[in-house]
Amino acid sequence: SQQGEEDPQALSIQEGENATMNCSYKTSINNLQWYRQNSGRGLVHLILIRSNEREKHSGRLRVTLDTSKKSSSLLITASRAADTASYFCATDESNTGKLIFGQGTTLQVKP
Amino acid sequence: DAGVTQSPTHLIKTRGQQVTLRCSPKSGHDTVSWYQQALGQGPQFIFQYYEEEERQRGNFPDRFSGHQFPNYSSELNVNALLLGDSALYLCASIRDGRGELFFGEGSRLTVL
Repeated sequence: SQQGEEDPQALSIQEGENATMNCSYKTSINNLQWYRQNSGRGLVHLILIRSNEREKHSGRLRVTLDTSKKSSSLLITASRAADTASYFCATDESNTGKLIFGQGTTLQVKP
Repeated sequence: DAGVTQSPTHLIKTRGQQVTLRCSPKSGHDTVSWYQQALGQGPQFIFQYYEEEERQRGNFPDRFSGHQFPNYSSELNVNALLLGDSALYLCASIRDGRGELFFGEGSRLTVL
C-alpha cells in the first residue's frame, strides 16, 4: 500500500521557473526521502530529511518537513529541461531501510 | 565502484511460469531490498534481506520469495505468475540498513 499522496500528480513549467511538489504521509516516521526517476528507470536518491529536521538544502533542492501536519515539500529552483522526471517521496518509519513510497509527481520542464 | 546491478533487464513470461531475478548490491552494502513498481505507480516494498535472512516483508503473497547469498547478492523468485505481476522490479541496497537506498535500473517483467 502507498504511504500517502503526492500533489500535484503532474506539473509542467518553463525552464528557469521553480517547481514545488508536496507529499503527505500517514504514520510517524524516522526520516523522509525524495527520489527521482527518469522514464521508468532506476530511482536516484536526492535528499534525506530526518524527523527532527525542518528544512534541508542540496544544490538547487530545498526540502521541508512538517511532522505535525505529516507533510513535506520539495522545491527545485531555476529548473532545467534535464530536471524532467518523476519525483517520489518515501518514508522510513523505523530507520531500517524499508521505504514506503508515494504515487509520485511527474515534472515536465519545457526548454 | 560499481553500483547496484540487476539482471535480466527485460523478460517476457506466460501465466503460470516462474521467474528469477538477480541483483548485486553496491560495494560495501550488506542489505538488499526488492520493490515492485507497476506502471504509473510508486514502488512497493516486497522484502528486505540482511545476513542471508528475510528481515522485513511487505504485503506480498508467498509466491514471492527471495534469497541472499554470502556475497550479499540476492535473487527474487516469483512462482505461478499472474498478469498482474507485470511490473518493473527494482533492487536497492543499503549499508547497515540505514540511510539512502541505491537502486539498480530494474528488471522489466511482462507476463502474457
